[in-house]
Amino acid sequence: GNSVTQMEGPVTLSEEAFLTINCTYTATGYPSLFWYVQYPGEGLQLLLKATKADDKGSNKGFEATYRKETTSFHLEKGSVQVSDSAVYFCALSESGTASKLTFGTGTRLQVTL
Amino acid sequence: DAGVIQSPRHEVTEMGQEVTLRCKPISGHNSLFWYRQTMMRGLELLIYFNNNVPIDDSGMPEDRFSAKMPNASFSTLKIQPSEPRDSAVYFCASSSGVVSYNEQFFGPGTRLTVL
Repeated sequence: GNSVTQMEGPVTLSEEAFLTINCTYTATGYPSLFWYVQYPGEGLQLLLKATKADDKGSNKGFEATYRKETTSFHLEKGSVQVSDSAVYFCALSESGTASKLTFGTGTRLQVTL
Repeated sequence: DAGVIQSPRHEVTEMGQEVTLRCKPISGHNSLFWYRQTMMRGLELLIYFNNNVPIDDSGMPEDRFSAKMPNASFSTLKIQPSEPRDSAVYFCASSSGVVSYNEQFFGPGTRLTVL
């Protein structure tokens, strides 16, 4: 079956540090890949997505590239801010499944001044 | 657009009581998803509907859980009888989702505590 593996958190960084959160996946076919973010006390919201190999999704300074050869979709940001503190979820949706998502376990990011 | 609306936002109940969670999806969306989030198990898909029809309920933990979608603008998730291990945050999400890359929009969640 489908699965998504994320690096364990929490990740603690100082403001303006570089961020990488690793994500790898297992799926049949050609999935679409997503990063969702959950701020404290809120539901998840889409951060970025990529729908085919070598696509790069980007939003709010975050980016991730769909790497089929390594089955990865790592999230990066060049300079994090305190306001980026949240839980980040990697997810996949297999083609033809009407946007049903398989989520990773989430990685908590804490950014300090 | 008001987004996905869930009610109540918080529910505290005693073991054995019936609990009903409600969701109003975004107008025009034809897929609806119920999730449960706990520290131990993370985010789990319980059930999803497409055009008001349940498509996959394999994530529903047991017969105490049931979900309905009587029309395109309303869904319920019922737990009867409730148990302390049902304590979690329950999210509803909707999507216009006939293709796999369509975004899911999440509601704010219902925090359920079963004493």
